[in-house]
Amino acid sequence: GESVGLHLPTLSVQEGDNSIINCAYSNSASDYFIWYKQESGKGPQFIIDIRSNMDKRQGQRVTVLLNKTVKHLSLQIAATQPGDSAVYFCAENIPGTYKYIFGTGTRLKVLA
Amino acid sequence: GAVVSQHPSRVICKSGTSVKIECRSLDFQATTMFWYRQFPKQSLMLMATSNEGSKATYEQGVEKDKFLINHASLTLSTLTVTSAHPEDSSFYICSAKEGAGGVPQHFGDGTRLSIL
Repeated sequence: GESVGLHLPTLSVQEGDNSIINCAYSNSASDYFIWYKQESGKGPQFIIDIRSNMDKRQGQRVTVLLNKTVKHLSLQIAATQPGDSAVYFCAENIPGTYKYIFGTGTRLKVLA
Repeated sequence: GAVVSQHPSRVICKSGTSVKIECRSLDFQATTMFWYRQFPKQSLMLMATSNEGSKATYEQGVEKDKFLINHASLTLSTLTVTSAHPEDSSFYICSAKEGAGGVPQHFGDGTRLSIL
């Protein structure tokens, strides 16, 4: 289930199930979006990106969906594994710059 | 590919000390690097954009005299926290971007700064 902590929402899923992590972005003009995975004590690791002219992109075990109408981004992880446990951040590229705005993040906990 | 190395990974020092953090792109040239600060259980907050050969651009509320940034080459940017105090304790993370357009930033593994 999903719960909201003091700062970081947490999603708990059973190993082998699919995970869906959601993100609302702020700027309707943003044209590039990225998902990152951050493990404890490390920097964010690139997972997958998508441009605004697409609404879906698939990688290995991951799919990103973009809904520009409601400014919503989701990351789907198939067959979630213990190694997927981490904090996941979405980021949107600020139009006209190379700067990112990061979402608040979601902690994914994979239960054995 | 696209490896970013950040050094040191952890620093513990006394109040009043200046601390330099290095960020290197190991296998690509980065015309633009970014410095972020992250508090526990929170998201990344952009501090400044570092451009090779020019002055860094700081975000609103970030003191440029406190956080000195130098981007002397296409593979190296440094962040110096001057006269650090306990409130400067945080996780500092750099990222680097190769080329223009919609390519992702690649991040270093961060520096945990603890000021006593």
